[in-house]
Amino acid sequence: AQSVTQLGSHVSVSEGALVLLRCNYSSSVPPYLFWYVQYPNQGLQLLLKYTSAATLVKGINGFEAEFKKSETSFHLTKPSAHMSDAAEYFCAVSDETGNTGKLIFGQGTTLQVKP
Amino acid sequence: GAVVSQHPSWVICKSGTSVKIECRSLDFQATTMFWYRQFPKQSLMLMATSNEGSKATYEQGVEKDKFLINHASLTLSTLTVTSAHPEDSSFYICSSQGPSAYEQYFGPGTRLTVT
Repeated sequence: AQSVTQLGSHVSVSEGALVLLRCNYSSSVPPYLFWYVQYPNQGLQLLLKYTSAATLVKGINGFEAEFKKSETSFHLTKPSAHMSDAAEYFCAVSDETGNTGKLIFGQGTTLQVKP
Repeated sequence: GAVVSQHPSWVICKSGTSVKIECRSLDFQATTMFWYRQFPKQSLMLMATSNEGSKATYEQGVEKDKFLINHASLTLSTLTVTSAHPEDSSFYICSSQGPSAYEQYFGPGTRLTVT
C-alpha cells in the first residue's frame, strides 16, 4: 500500500529564508502527488500538483515542488519565506487501488516563519 | 478553483443528540464527495466516499450507522453524526471531486464539540 512521509513535523525559518518541506512517498504505480496548505480552522487549499507531466511543478504563492522518481520524493520549496506562509502543509499521494479518487495524506508539517 | 461550502462552520451539541453537517459544491456538480475527520495537530483521516445517488463507501473502522452520509444531489452531501458523544468532537472536512484525476476541492470544515 502506498504511503506518504513528511520529514519534520515542525519547520521554522526566518522571513526571507528558503523554505524546504520534505515529502517522500511509496507507490507501485506512477503517482499523482499534491501539496496542500491549511490555515487555522480552515479547509485545505491546493498549492500544486504533479500529474506525470513536467517534474518541476510551480504552484501558487511562489511555491514549487520537484518530482524525483529515483528518490521517491516530492519536496516543496519557496525561495523566500513570508510571514503569511506560516501554516500547516500536507503532502498527498493518489490512492493506487483502483480509480477511487482517494488521496492519502502525510502527517503534516507546521511551518513557522520568524520575523 | 472550485468553491465548496460547509454548514455550519461550528456547532456545539449535547451528548446523545444528532448533528447534521452539510457540504455543498457551489459552482460545479460533484458526483463524488469525500468526508474527512481531523484531530488537533493531526492529518486528515478519510471517513467515507459519498457518491450521488448511491450508498456511501466507508473506510475501515468507521461506523456507518453512527456517521450517516447522504448524497441526494450533485451539489449536496450531508454527514449526520448520530447519538453524538464527546469523543466525536473533531474537525470535519468535506471535499468535492473535480473533473481532473484525483483533484479535490475542500470545504472550510466544521468544528463539532459535543458536551
